[in-house]
Amino acid sequence: LAKTTQPISMDSYEGQEVNITCSHNNIATNDYITWYQQFPSQGPRFIIQGYKTKVTNEVASLFIPADRKSSTLSLPRVSLSDTAVYYCLVPMMNTGFQKLVFGTGTRLLVSP
Amino acid sequence: EPEVTQTPSHQVTQMGQEVILRCVPISNHLYFYWYRQILGQKVEFLVSFYNNEISEKSEIFDDQFSVERPDGSNFTLKIRSTKLEDSAMYFCASSDRTGVADTQYFGPGTRLTVL
Repeated sequence: LAKTTQPISMDSYEGQEVNITCSHNNIATNDYITWYQQFPSQGPRFIIQGYKTKVTNEVASLFIPADRKSSTLSLPRVSLSDTAVYYCLVPMMNTGFQKLVFGTGTRLLVSP
Repeated sequence: EPEVTQTPSHQVTQMGQEVILRCVPISNHLYFYWYRQILGQKVEFLVSFYNNEISEKSEIFDDQFSVERPDGSNFTLKIRSTKLEDSAMYFCASSDRTGVADTQYFGPGTRLTVL
């Protein structure tokens, strides 16, 4: 069964680095891993995307090991406005068909 | 910055009625998606659409669901006979899928309430 799992919640303080890991046991071999941020009553918002090793953009880094069975989103210095739910989106193989699977989501709470 | 739009923002319907949720994807995008999110739960993939046909669908997307691109700008999700458990946020997304990367941009969602 194609599954992606994340920690349910994480707490942090302003200015700290936060790392959120997504485990994906049956990832498709030829597609990218994407991370999204979601605020209440809004659609997911694209953060970063990668295939292998490390990717960095202006807001985050993404680490993907060689076996691609997990990925870690790194937010370098969080602020209060980073309080949100974070999802990985992973292409999974399931009974011969590829489908897109969102992770279970991690609720990040950033405190002053 | 171009964005995906969805209408209506909130739809209330009676069980058994048909509903059509509308989306206008980003104009140069060719790949379109519908997702749903039941209150308090994660986002679930429903269907993807490319070149006027369904390319992938999940087990949630059964015979009561259908999608259509009736013209050059709209992308619709129809639920034929709504059930109470269809109450959820429905998100449309689109991407241009350059190479293998599939960066999807999501709309603000339609909240469907089935009474």
